[in-house]
Amino acid sequence: QLQLQESGSGLVKPSQTLSLTCAVSGGSISSGGYSWSWIRQPPGKGLEWIGYIYHSGSTYYNPSLKSRVTISVDRSKNQFSLKLSSVTAADTAVYYCARRTFEVAFDIWGQGTMVTVSS
Amino acid sequence: QSALTQPASVSGSPGQSITISCTGTSSDVGGYNYVSWYQQHPGKAPKLMIYEVSNRPSGVSNRFSGSKSGNTASLTISGLQAEDEADYYCSSYTSSSTLEFGGGTKLTVL
Repeated sequence: QLQLQESGSGLVKPSQTLSLTCAVSGGSISSGGYSWSWIRQPPGKGLEWIGYIYHSGSTYYNPSLKSRVTISVDRSKNQFSLKLSSVTAADTAVYYCARRTFEVAFDIWGQGTMVTVSS
Repeated sequence: QSALTQPASVSGSPGQSITISCTGTSSDVGGYNYVSWYQQHPGKAPKLMIYEVSNRPSGVSNRFSGSKSGNTASLTISGLQAEDEADYYCSSYTSSSTLEFGGGTKLTVL
């Protein structure tokens, strides 16, 4: 059973870079047909898609975040990562990593990790 | 402002059926059959309930069904149960190869 687990700093100062990692267990991140995604949810609000990376390395980002986001994969560690630069309080949210299927559905999710942007 | 429009809330009594709509444009919902629905209970990660408009993943109750007409997709829950009370989100692939979520709908079981 494939599982995802987010990790990273829970508190980031304004203007700094948020960094999170999603460890994949129970399967290979290199499995064909899937891409690897980040989604966030501000407190009390809805879901916001951040972006995903295909097994080929191609990336697609939310246009509203594109200038600040980088998603990368480390196949040797079976994990993928999110970097979000120049953060503000508006980036405070629960961040989820998820597996995206060929049918463009997120079928497996991590438990989520809360990131607070505050000085 | 979410790209996909959902009602903020819906409610129903146990045993009844409810429908949640998800309205987009021809560049997302109307242009592709890559519409998915997610259920989220408080403090939990979302769970995939429907993919490709009307397909249910293994293990999801057949009380959940999906459909689409034009630029609007719908999630119907029949035989409403207390455990169905949750937030529901739709998502759609877009013509820009990106993805959008709806604003979410809070389902209350009366």
